[in-house]
Amino acid sequence: DAKTTQPPSMDCAEGRAANLPCNHSTISGNEYVYWYRQIHSQGPQYIIHGLKNNETNEMASLIITEDRKSSTLILPHATLRDTAVYYCIVRVSDSWGKLQFGAGTQVVVTP
Amino acid sequence: DSGVTQTPKHLITATGQRVTLRCSPRSGDLSVYWYQQSLDQGLQFLIQYYNGEERAKGNILERFSAQQFPDLHSELNLSSLELGDSALYFCASSVRGTGGTGELFFGEGSRLTVL
Repeated sequence: DAKTTQPPSMDCAEGRAANLPCNHSTISGNEYVYWYRQIHSQGPQYIIHGLKNNETNEMASLIITEDRKSSTLILPHATLRDTAVYYCIVRVSDSWGKLQFGAGTQVVVTP
Repeated sequence: DSGVTQTPKHLITATGQRVTLRCSPRSGDLSVYWYQQSLDQGLQFLIQYYNGEERAKGNILERFSAQQFPDLHSELNLSSLELGDSALYFCASSVRGTGGTGELFFGEGSRLTVL
């Protein structure tokens, strides 16, 4: 699975959009981009995933560049409860299960 | 609530001891994954089971073993415990062994403290 690079931390003001970048320059054509988050010491929570098209759900939007070498997770209106570590993961969908978590980005939403 | 249940939530034991962590996957999920999270290592994949069979193995120590039972619950056995085994142990489940879309559902974890 391709390796990802994320900034170690970022701050965001409550109510503003949080844009979390992720680089995955070695991504293969059949690899998906997944985002999970982990609120302090809780189990990781799935957010969104995509292959090449932009995706949106009730939690976030995922923007993948045309060359697929990077992506951005957008939390449209950050709340204090969005303070968490966000993980960007790349993997082949049909591979036997495991997700490999990197260090992620610690996002702190401030009032 | 993810639907994945882990017990116990907290466990304190001594070095050299053996413990068993239990995981009940979401109803209908056939695949179970175990992860270890310590302060200095982040989330590390240990092992995956699908419908009772081992499917993938990560950096799981020989002192650790796991199994998935016919009712699909899983147990992670940790023996000859060392101080460094102190960590959060997460179980996750998914519908299929491939993980389908990659969506894993994680439990709240078992916090193991080895003194």
